[in-house]
Amino acid sequence: DAGVIQSPRHEVTEMGQEVTLRCKPISGHNSLFWYRQTMMRGLELLIYFNNNVPIDDSGMPEDRFSAKMPNASFSTLKIQPSEPRDSAVYFCASSLFENTEAFFGQGTRLTVV
Amino acid sequence: EDKVVQSPLSLVVHEGDTVTLNCSYEVTNFRSLLWYKQEKKAPTFLFMLTSSGIEKKSGRLSSILDKKELFSILNITATQTGDSAVYLCATWRGGYGNKLVFGAGTILRVKS
Repeated sequence: DAGVIQSPRHEVTEMGQEVTLRCKPISGHNSLFWYRQTMMRGLELLIYFNNNVPIDDSGMPEDRFSAKMPNASFSTLKIQPSEPRDSAVYFCASSLFENTEAFFGQGTRLTVV
Repeated sequence: EDKVVQSPLSLVVHEGDTVTLNCSYEVTNFRSLLWYKQEKKAPTFLFMLTSSGIEKKSGRLSSILDKKELFSILNITATQTGDSAVYLCATWRGGYGNKLVFGAGTILRVKS
């Protein structure tokens, strides 16, 4: 298995632009997570899906952020409009079931200028 | 609010030393605790602990969970420069609002 696949690996965009991050979880995994990592705040959980259904989105910073999981093999995290404070590494992770180990993608480094 | 607190925040040791990293938690409906190692890129899984007092071991790394005192430790013996990384602790919360939440991490630097 190729593992969790994220795209793009790097994204540089101007303030105010829409940004879409993509994730393909490991085949057969039922749980999917989006995390954001910064030096100041560490690894923050943004949203958690189980069986394609959002279970907890309390970590989504504000209405500018939205996430979807239209099917078991694809998820997106969208920021519209983007701001410089959104600059961070965004990780997608998946696990086979709840309460099992999560496997991380290589992350998307987002820079908003 | 759920809390996962790691200590120390950072640590510098010499090759061959033994280190102990700490993780305490306050989590509603606690189900399990996980340890990860993060070098330059994505976190990689080390251990998952669900029962108190049972040590998990992998080479020079070992970990144990105390569900009464709500903490876990990660031990690394005979440290090597390749052990330099951020070590992350995470907990699975069960029931309504179940999720996997991470602590801030411990930065370990092993000097040769």
